[in-house]
This record gives sequence, C-alpha cells and structure tokens, in this order.
Amino acid sequence: SQQGEEDPQALSIQEGENATMNCSYKTSINNLQWYRQNSGRGLVHLILIRSNEREKHSGRLRVTLDTSKKSSSLLITASRAADTASYFCATDPRNQAGTALIFGKGTTLSVSS
Amino acid sequence: ETGVTQSPTHLIKTRGQQVTLRCSSQSGHNTVSWYQQALGQGPQFIFQYYREEENGRGNFPPRFSGLQFPNYSSELNVNALELDDSALYLCASSLDPGEQAPLHFGNGTRLTVT
Repeated sequence: SQQGEEDPQALSIQEGENATMNCSYKTSINNLQWYRQNSGRGLVHLILIRSNEREKHSGRLRVTLDTSKKSSSLLITASRAADTASYFCATDPRNQAGTALIFGKGTTLSVSS
Repeated sequence: ETGVTQSPTHLIKTRGQQVTLRCSSQSGHNTVSWYQQALGQGPQFIFQYYREEENGRGNFPPRFSGLQFPNYSSELNVNALELDDSALYLCASSLDPGEQAPLHFGNGTRLTVT
C-alpha cells in the first residue's frame, strides 16, 4: 500500500525555474525522505527530515515538513536539465517495526533548456 | 566503498516459471530490503532481511521468498511467475533497520514475464 502521495504527478519547467513537489502521508512517522530516480534506474537518496524538524536544506534542495498536516514539500531551486527525473517521498512509519520505507507514486519532473 | 550491485540486469521468463534475483549489499551494510516497482508506480516493499533473518514483510504472497547470506548478500526468489510480476525489482541496503538510515539502491533487475 502507498503511504505517501506526491503532487503533482508530472511537472514541466524551464531551466532556471524553481520546482516544487508536495507529498502527503497517512500515519505518524519517524522521518520522511526524498529520493530521485533517473529513467528506471535505482533510486538515489536526496535528503532526510526527522519528525521534529520543520525545514532542511541541502545545496539547491529545500524540504519542509508539517506533521500536523501530514505533508512535506521538496523545492529545487534554479533547476537544470540534469534535474529531469522522478522524485519520490518515502516515510518511515512509527510503531511499525520491521517495515522498511514506504514510497509514494512519485512526481515526474521535466526540465527543458 | 562498493555500491549495491544486482544481477541480472534484465530477465525474460514464462508464466509459471521460477526466478532468482541476486543482490550484493554495500560494504558494511547488514540490512537489505527488496522492492517491486511496476511501470509508472513507486517502489512497493516486499521484505527486509537483517543478519540473515526476515525482519519484516509487505503485502506479497508466499511465492515471494528471500535469503540473506553471512556476507549480507541476498536473493529474491519468485515461484509460479504471473504476468503481473513483470516489474523492476530493486534491492537496497542500509546500515541498520532500527534507525531508518537512507537506503542505498542498486540499479535493479527488469523482469518480464510472458
């Protein structure tokens, strides 16, 4: 079952613009992570935000977490063509021992030059 | 540092057959998780192994089984293949299952069932 749901499903922007993706989830979490996947290859970890954090930055990435709304957003600033990929949020459900990360369906980002 | 490697990269099987997929974890990682990713979908959790024992399982039938070896490499076995088993199978290793550290993924095995 999917825990996270990303929005929008697809996003097309021009190089230099910012890209914002949102994720909503259903149950209490320990942390939320964002991953990137290039055309059917393996996923690459981007950033992890813990349930007691509200915002985190890593290079051109900014992630926010609102546990009261059970939602997170990923902002990629000054997008590049190389940012073209699918982006997934993944949650670590609280009180579910032995459960690995649960992924959403992803947002497909297309950055054109 | 050696990353996660999976073999084979592509595989074509016939409905009803059995398949074994292999994964070598990143060095120093004792936990491996397997995911199934259908086209256009997010990865679905199959199961996780920690120190050679199954440590959790998703909503997959018993014909999906696994093994983890003393060197922390792992296998995913699927019996009685069905058409819907066609997907990208991803293996991911991590340091420890208790603290959800980031997962390190291999590039997957693309399985096609005809």
